[in-house]
Amino acid sequence: AQSVTQPDIHITVSEGASLELRCNYSYGATPYLFWYVQSPGQGLQLLLKYFSGDTLVQGIKGFEAEFKRSQSSFNLRKPSVHWSDAAEYFCAVGARGGSQGNLIFGKGTKLSVKP
Amino acid sequence: KAGVTQTPRYLIKTRGQQVTLSCSPISGHRSVSWYQQTPGQGLQFLFEYFSETQRNKGNFPGRFSGRQFSNSRSEMNVSTLELGDSALYLCASSAVAGDYNEQFFGPGTRLTVL
Repeated sequence: AQSVTQPDIHITVSEGASLELRCNYSYGATPYLFWYVQSPGQGLQLLLKYFSGDTLVQGIKGFEAEFKRSQSSFNLRKPSVHWSDAAEYFCAVGARGGSQGNLIFGKGTKLSVKP
Repeated sequence: KAGVTQTPRYLIKTRGQQVTLSCSPISGHRSVSWYQQTPGQGLQFLFEYFSETQRNKGNFPGRFSGRQFSNSRSEMNVSTLELGDSALYLCASSAVAGDYNEQFFGPGTRLTVL
């Protein structure tokens, strides 16, 4: 069955420190991969997506993610975290040729930023 | 361009009642998807509509239904509410269906069932 695992429920980093949020997926083939961010009381905002090509994907707000097929991972990184990055982050996978409605989301990682 | 709007933002209902939530997509977008977000189950896909037709449906009971109007606005209805239906209901719109494009999410409707 298709699934997405975000092993870290909650992460706290200091402002200015680097960040890596983990995402592992289980899928029959190479899926489409997404990272979304959700601030309190807000909907989801797309940070970046991987469809094909270069496995290092650049997104908005200084985020990047790397697709590693051998590890079935799509980890999100940021070199220097800002206090405004505190939010919940969701990894999602979807079927190629499928409907964009059929996204499978991980349970999310809540990021706290220490001053 | 205005974003995805959802009304109402907050709702409180009692068990057994029914509720209707509304979603207005970004102008020009014809695909609308609905998701349920709960602390226990996370984000789960409910259904997707495109050009007034349901294209996909998630694994939810028949109490959950939806529709889309000719202006692409969508509504979802939950009948015979249960306590477990308390959740944040998110709507997302995109320009086309059938392939992955960027979905734009609304702020959600927070439903509380007492």
